[in-house]
Amino acid sequence: AQSVSQHNHHVILSEAASLELGCNYSYGGTVNLFWYVQYPGQHLQLLLKYFSGDPLVKGIKGFEAEFIKSKFSFNLRKPSVQWSDTAEYFCAVNQAGTALIFGKGTTLSVSS
Amino acid sequence: GAVVSQHPSRVICKSGTSVKIECRSLDFQATTMFWYRQFPKKSLMLMATSNEGSKATYEQGVEKDKFLINHASLTLSTLTVTSAHPEDSSFYICSALGAGRNQPQHFGDGTRLSIL
Repeated sequence: AQSVSQHNHHVILSEAASLELGCNYSYGGTVNLFWYVQYPGQHLQLLLKYFSGDPLVKGIKGFEAEFIKSKFSFNLRKPSVQWSDTAEYFCAVNQAGTALIFGKGTTLSVSS
Repeated sequence: GAVVSQHPSRVICKSGTSVKIECRSLDFQATTMFWYRQFPKKSLMLMATSNEGSKATYEQGVEKDKFLINHASLTLSTLTVTSAHPEDSSFYICSALGAGRNQPQHFGDGTRLSIL
């Protein structure tokens, strides 16, 4: 069955620390990959997406992610986090035209 | 950018009431819409896939008679929670997918449903 795994349940960082959130998927065939962020009390926002081409994808707010096909991974990174990055982060996968399958999410807490 | 409007944003009602949630794509035609449910501190779980003009496809474990989905036009899908009970209290989110290859999904703001 298709699945998405986010290994980090809760990450706590100080401001200016570097961030890497893991995402692995189990999916046959060609996939599209996404990272969404949900700030407290707000709706989902798309951070970045990968469909094809350069496996290093840059998104909004200084985030980037790298698709490593051989590892079935799509880890999210940010060189220097800010307090305002405190949120829930969801990795999601789909194939063209189908519903997104979400990981369980990672809570990021950034202290100032 | 593409906008999806979901209404209402919050509903509080008595047990046994039926509640209708609307999901509209405002500036594009959504051939497919998805309905998700998010429990507190949990991820989004797909409930059903709705294609315009055809019956919705429900995920395993989702009662189709409980969660009625209608996708009568390319810009509107509705989810009706029939005879709602407290265990149906949750955050319901729709997303809309435009026509064409590799279109991202656009999410509504969600509906917080509280059944007393």
